[in-house]
Amino acid sequence: EVVMTQSPATLSVSPGERATLSCRASQSVSSNLAWYQQKPGQAPRLLIYGASTRATGIPARFSGSGSGTEFTLTISSLQSDDFAVYYCQQYNNLTPTTFGQGTRLEIK
Amino acid sequence: QLQLQESGPRLVRPSDTLSLTCSVSGDSISRSPYYWGWIRQSPGKGLEWIGRIYFSGNTYHNPSLESRVTMSVDTSKNQFSLKMTSVTVADTAVYYCVRHLMVVVMDYWGQGTLVTVSS
Repeated sequence: EVVMTQSPATLSVSPGERATLSCRASQSVSSNLAWYQQKPGQAPRLLIYGASTRATGIPARFSGSGSGTEFTLTISSLQSDDFAVYYCQQYNNLTPTTFGQGTRLEIK
Repeated sequence: QLQLQESGPRLVRPSDTLSLTCSVSGDSISRSPYYWGWIRQSPGKGLEWIGRIYFSGNTYHNPSLESRVTMSVDTSKNQFSLKMTSVTVADTAVYYCVRHLMVVVMDYWGQGTLVTVSS
């Protein structure tokens, strides 16, 4: 099983600033990496897949990068609506899909 | 607008079978190339993908759950279903039905239903 490790567990950022969230895979997953956003009481929402492709309707301030074992989700100019928990998911074809434990993005 | 809605018992006894149905509105589950499926979330295990099914009935399950999971589809009702046998308290979770954009990437989610396994 591929273990996904997200850091930091909690990130405090002021509105208008940039947030950088990290996700590391225990083995290479190529570009088979997705990011989701989850707000309290809601289902997760797909943001990014293929490591860097934004899902339909996702604002351009969300961007993903990386390949292999190291991935980054960047949110430029944070808005109040962006404070939530973010999860990464690997979907390498040769292993069962797994998720990170999440990064909580909170208002500083 | 595509919408998914889970339904089924919220309380299941240990060793019994968990049964959930997902009703899809706003699109046909027979539309290619989308798969449909289930994922669950619990405080202890986080997000755990359960499996996916195509409208033809082709399925793929998480190997860790495969022996206990059965999925089916009813295209006439635009629904698909999950059955999980021999449940334990560890199966207590919020269960979501989802549409798969590709492989196991999920772009539409139901609101989720909390299923508690308890005697």
